[in-house]
Amino acid sequence: DTEVTQTPKHLVMGMTNKKSLKCEQHMGHRAMYWYKQKAKKPPELMFVYSYEKLSINESVPSRFSPECPNSSLLNLHLHALQPEDSALYLCASSQRGADTQYFGPGTRLTVL
Amino acid sequence: KQEVTQIPAALSVPEGENLVLNCSFTDSAIYNLQWFRQDPGKGLTSLLLIQSSQREQTSGRLNASLDKSSGRSTLYIAASQPGDSATYLCAVRMGAQKLVFGQGTRLTINP
Repeated sequence: DTEVTQTPKHLVMGMTNKKSLKCEQHMGHRAMYWYKQKAKKPPELMFVYSYEKLSINESVPSRFSPECPNSSLLNLHLHALQPEDSALYLCASSQRGADTQYFGPGTRLTVL
Repeated sequence: KQEVTQIPAALSVPEGENLVLNCSFTDSAIYNLQWFRQDPGKGLTSLLLIQSSQREQTSGRLNASLDKSSGRSTLYIAASQPGDSATYLCAVRMGAQKLVFGQGTRLTINP
C-alpha cells in the first residue's frame, strides 16, 4: 500500500478562522512533508518532519503551524490566513529523506 | 542555488507517437532525480527515481535517463496514449530531504 491520505479534500475559510489539515500514511515512512502548490506552478516545500521532529522549515509564516503527533500522522494548523494563501496543499512521505516521495491527493484551500 | 528547467512547457502530439521530455539542472551535486506526473487538481504520482550513480531507469513504456555531469535528464514515453495526458514534473534532490521541482511540461495526447 503506497497511499497517503489527506483530509479534507476542499476547505473554505475566512481570514479569522482556525482550521487544520490532516495527512496520514501507514507505510512506516519516517519522513513527512508539506508542500504548497499554486495554480500552474510546481510544488514548493514548506516543512519536513524526520522521525517526528521538524527538520526543515522553509521560512514559512507563523500562521502555518505544523504538527507531527506520531509517525503516521501530520497536521497543518491554519490561523489568520490571507487570500494569497489559497492553494493546493500537498502532503508527502518517504521511507527516509532521500527515498521516493509519495504524495497525497491534496487539500484545495480557499481563503475568503 | 539549484535551478531546474523543463522544456518544452507544453507539448501536444497524436496518439501512438514516441516522445521525449527534457529536464536540466544547474548544480550537479544531486542525490537523485525523480519524475512525477500530475493530473489537473490532483496530487503527484511518482513515475521513476534515478539515483545519482545510475544512468537510467525503466518502467513499462517509460524510460528516464540521467547525465549528472551535464545536468540533464530525459523522460522517454513510448507509444503514447490519451491517458498519458498530464503535467510531467522532474525534481532533483538536494541534501537529504529537499526536492527542487521544475515548472513542468503539460502533455496532451490527441486521439
